[in-house]
Amino acid sequence: EVQLVASGGGLVQPGGSLRLSCAASGFTVSPNYKTWVRQAPGKGLEWVSVIYSSGNTYYADSVKGRFTISRDNSKNMLYLEMNSLRVEDTAVYYCATEDGRPNWGQGTLVTVSS
Amino acid sequence: DIQMTQSPSTLSASVGDRVTITCRASQSISSWLAWYQQKPGTAPKLLIYEASSLEGGVPSRFSGSGSGTEFTLTISSLQPDDFATYYCQQYNSYWWTFGQGTKVEIK
Repeated sequence: EVQLVASGGGLVQPGGSLRLSCAASGFTVSPNYKTWVRQAPGKGLEWVSVIYSSGNTYYADSVKGRFTISRDNSKNMLYLEMNSLRVEDTAVYYCATEDGRPNWGQGTLVTVSS
Repeated sequence: DIQMTQSPSTLSASVGDRVTITCRASQSISSWLAWYQQKPGTAPKLLIYEASSLEGGVPSRFSGSGSGTEFTLTISSLQPDDFATYYCQQYNSYWWTFGQGTKVEIK
């Protein structure tokens, strides 16, 4: 069974940094890509970033230049380095992938507030 | 990016009602569409993937149909546990996009 466990969320001041981690396990075939999705309080779902098995990365315009996605294949880990955080980055962040069907983790809450 | 337009935004229904939610993609996404149920404070729960495949453990009263740009989620007989918010999502592109959500409320 595929499991994705996100961690690293917390309270950070505007302008601060945070690094999210996602531990992945249970894949019979390594997924072609892994992604981050977020959901602000009371709002809908927003795609944030993706990293392909090739190493190619893509970002939503709202986080481009501030967030960096990376992975450590030897540890089956996915990361999201978040810099220059803004109040509007406050959200639950989910790591996810798909192998014909989407797989999601349980999410980690990031709160950006002074 | 591919825009997903979901309707209605709110739906009032009674237990036992047949409920249909529609999702339209701005361009063809083949059958790469998923439906989720979300309750407050919890992660989205996958109901349907590849437009019409029922996720394991999901009751058979949930069904999905469509391909290309037009998709529907149907709940054949609404149960008390089904009052929640539902989202569609395309994964034809790496840039996942989501419908705005449909809140199913008690009438």
